[in-house]
Amino acid sequence: IQLTQSPSSLSASVGDRVTITCRASQVISNSLAWYQQKPGKAPKLLIYGASTLQSGVPTRFSGSGSGTDFTLTISILQPEDFATYYCLQLNSYPLSFGGGTKVEIK
Amino acid sequence: QEQLVESGGGVVQPGRSLRLSCAASGFTSSVYAMHWVRQAPGKGLEWVAVISFDGRNKYYGDSVKGRFTISRDNSKNTLYLQMSRLTDEDTAVYYCATWGIVSTDRFDYWGQGTLVTVSS
Repeated sequence: IQLTQSPSSLSASVGDRVTITCRASQVISNSLAWYQQKPGKAPKLLIYGASTLQSGVPTRFSGSGSGTDFTLTISILQPEDFATYYCLQLNSYPLSFGGGTKVEIK
Repeated sequence: QEQLVESGGGVVQPGRSLRLSCAASGFTSSVYAMHWVRQAPGKGLEWVAVISFDGRNKYYGDSVKGRFTISRDNSKNTLYLQMSRLTDEDTAVYYCATWGIVSTDRFDYWGQGTLVTVSS
């Protein structure tokens, strides 16, 4: 299953609303997770089941979608949110990640 | 606390083999599937392989199938990745990871990664 993330990068300001999309090459129900990764660190789970917020993750992060089209939204971008974001499909093996979206400071 | 610690990375020549290890502590790793994920320098994440809790079922990414073997020793709480016929495209940080549900809570544990450099 191929996952296509867009955009591959974006520039935004603190306080902006940011939306990242992930499209699967076939239906994956809601078997999608979103991760945040900062340089030199392991990925951190933000969202699982397409829309369930992982414990401890700020509520400004939200996920939506089902089937083939998914969205990660950061409602009010904070300085600590500048990072790279990846979607991961867990519907079937082999698992696959999207190509990533780097969120940079404008 | 829950911890995954990878080891075994280093510089290896093309065509040679290397074995990575991942030691789990602070939780009962023996009841969960375990994964390897890698990241080439400056690139995105790539899922590599998974092994079921009992070691019976294994799946691999297309780029490593037939060259890499995932295994585990639950008596030692350790996960392994045997890598053979290495090429420069295998150069990456290798993470072990595990995730699942306990009661109603989702857990998601990752190691700090170990760097494998394939170079002559």
